[in-house]
Amino acid sequence: EDQVTQSPEALRLQEGESSSLNCSYTVSGLRGLFWYRQDPGKGPEFLFTLYSAGEEKEKERLKATLTKKESFLHITAPKPEDSATYLCAVRLDFNKFYFGSGTKLNVKP
Amino acid sequence: DTGVSQDPRHKITKRGQNVTFRCDPISEHNRLYWYRQTLGQGPEFLTYFQNEAQLEKSRLLSDRFSAERPKGSFSTLEIQRTEQGDSAMYLCASSSDSQNSPLHFGNGTRLTVT
Repeated sequence: EDQVTQSPEALRLQEGESSSLNCSYTVSGLRGLFWYRQDPGKGPEFLFTLYSAGEEKEKERLKATLTKKESFLHITAPKPEDSATYLCAVRLDFNKFYFGSGTKLNVKP
Repeated sequence: DTGVSQDPRHKITKRGQNVTFRCDPISEHNRLYWYRQTLGQGPEFLTYFQNEAQLEKSRLLSDRFSAERPKGSFSTLEIQRTEQGDSAMYLCASSSDSQNSPLHFGNGTRLTVT
């Protein structure tokens, strides 16, 4: 059965304290792994797409990496405005995107 | 590019009533998706349109749910005889036909069934 698991469920960091979020998947026929940010009461906002093992993408304090079984979202020197829920999703074909349950990140000043 | 628009943002209804939500996708996007999200969970796939054709429906989508996309533009999601378990955020997303295109989400409609 296709599964996407994110850990931890919640993460509290002090401002400037770097960490990583994990997204592990057991799927067949992966056609892309996507990271999204979701603020309370809003829809998910697209961050990155990764397609092949070894690929990395960066945006400001965020860097996403991909292996054959998991992806990491590294957050370097986070700020309070990085507080949000981070979702990962896998695409198996054009019309099937499966989401994990997300990691709720809280960055304290 | 004005983004994906959903209306209304919030809907409170009594159990047994019918509700309808609207989604306007990004204008050049042919693919349109409906997802449902409950507190603490990721979005769950409900249904998918390619232009005006509804190509796939999740087993989550009971007979009380119906979605349309007339003329391949905006879409509506109707829930008949609402139940308390239908309370959730209903998200619409669109994407282009490009193989690499991500989903672009609207800000959702929050449904509360009392």
